[in-house]
Amino acid sequence: QQPVQSPQAVILREGEDAVINCSSSKALYSVHWYRQKHGEAPVFLMILLKGGEQKGHEKISASFNEKKQQSSLYLTASQLSYSGTYFCGTEAERAAGNKLTFGGGTRVLVKP
Amino acid sequence: GAGVSQSPRYKVTKRGQDVALRCDPISGHVSLYWYRQALGQGPEFLTYFNYEAQQDKSGLPNDRFSAERPEGSISTLTIQRTEQRDSAMYRCASSFPPGELFFGEGSRLTVL
Repeated sequence: QQPVQSPQAVILREGEDAVINCSSSKALYSVHWYRQKHGEAPVFLMILLKGGEQKGHEKISASFNEKKQQSSLYLTASQLSYSGTYFCGTEAERAAGNKLTFGGGTRVLVKP
Repeated sequence: GAGVSQSPRYKVTKRGQDVALRCDPISGHVSLYWYRQALGQGPEFLTYFNYEAQQDKSGLPNDRFSAERPEGSISTLTIQRTEQRDSAMYRCASSFPPGELFFGEGSRLTVL
């Protein structure tokens, strides 16, 4: 079952912060985050494994609450380059390989 | 090459024709994945391989879809008797080992 992302879209001014949420109804082994710019391939940001791990990538960080089967992506002091569609991909408990189920995406537009 | 290479980049075909989409993964990557992405949606898992072995094909929509990776490197996704509903972007990704997915630029299929 597809994870649910919220919000569906967000518009920011450069320097502002935003949070993108990803929720699953299934127990999760891991959550992956990707960013896709218009007309391009999705690009990997980070993986979070169960255990409540928090990771960072530049000023983009994420957390994973395995009890709630939720992950949040934090865009801090957003830059113009952060614009794009963000997808979370979830891997079910004990699933083999990277069989990811992706959410519907959150469109982020950062304006000057 | 340096990245995942897919061909053709664009394919227009008539309903009922067979199409073959090719993926050349990053050299040395063990795992290869096929995803389908509708416009404005997240990638949808189709199938994946470890080396030449097809590990999971549960995402293939029906028996008109098949994939192979005979020598553990290049993979071909074949769609027989294409239908208009097959129109989409087909993306290949590779990884070594399971972890970050490197996506190709995709093959955009249009069935008339």
